[in-house]
Amino acid sequence: DIQMTQSPSSLSASVGDRVTITCRASQSINIYLSWYQQKPGKAPKLLIYAASSLQSGVPSRFSGSGSGTDFTLTISSLQPEDFATYYCQQGYSTPFTFGPGTKVDIK
Amino acid sequence: EVQLLESGGGFVQPGGSLRLSCAASGFTFSSYAMSWVRQAPGKGLEWVSAIIGSGGSTHYADSVKGRFTISRDNSKNTLYLQMNSLRAEDTAVYYCAKDLKPGDGDVIWGYFQHWGQGALVTVSS
Repeated sequence: DIQMTQSPSSLSASVGDRVTITCRASQSINIYLSWYQQKPGKAPKLLIYAASSLQSGVPSRFSGSGSGTDFTLTISSLQPEDFATYYCQQGYSTPFTFGPGTKVDIK
Repeated sequence: EVQLLESGGGFVQPGGSLRLSCAASGFTFSSYAMSWVRQAPGKGLEWVSAIIGSGGSTHYADSVKGRFTISRDNSKNTLYLQMNSLRAEDTAVYYCAKDLKPGDGDVIWGYFQHWGQGALVTVSS
């Protein structure tokens, strides 16, 4: 099975900050990587798919990059509604696997 | 508008069974692979199972293989998860999730565009 890791596990940031979250796969997954945002008590929301494709309706301050084993999610200017937990997930092969999550909270 | 509505969650003793349903609307159900994803209380997301649009191919996480069965009834636009031999560690909110794109043949894209609201399953004595 492909293992996914994320760093950091949590971070504190201020509105307007640039935030970067890293995700690493235990083997190459090409670009079969997606990012999700989850707020407490809510279902996850797809932000990015195929490593860098922005899901329709997602603000352009979110961007993704990477291929192979190393990926990043960047929020260019953090907004109040962006405080949440972020997960990466590989769709390269089943069993699909998620990273452990990165919690972004207010500094 | 795409809607996914889970039902069937509840409280069950270890070793018991439960069947979850996910009623889908707003899209051509039979064209999309579907998955179940769960989240234990205070924990991260865990993919559980997936099924292609026709229902002819299924996939499972090792943690549920042999105990859970995913199925679908395309005439009823409904996805199911039959859960047997339940354990305490199966306690979680279970989400059904729709693939981002229609699947051609046995393709599962593995990008989950739409999610249900979740169904809580509690396994405890």
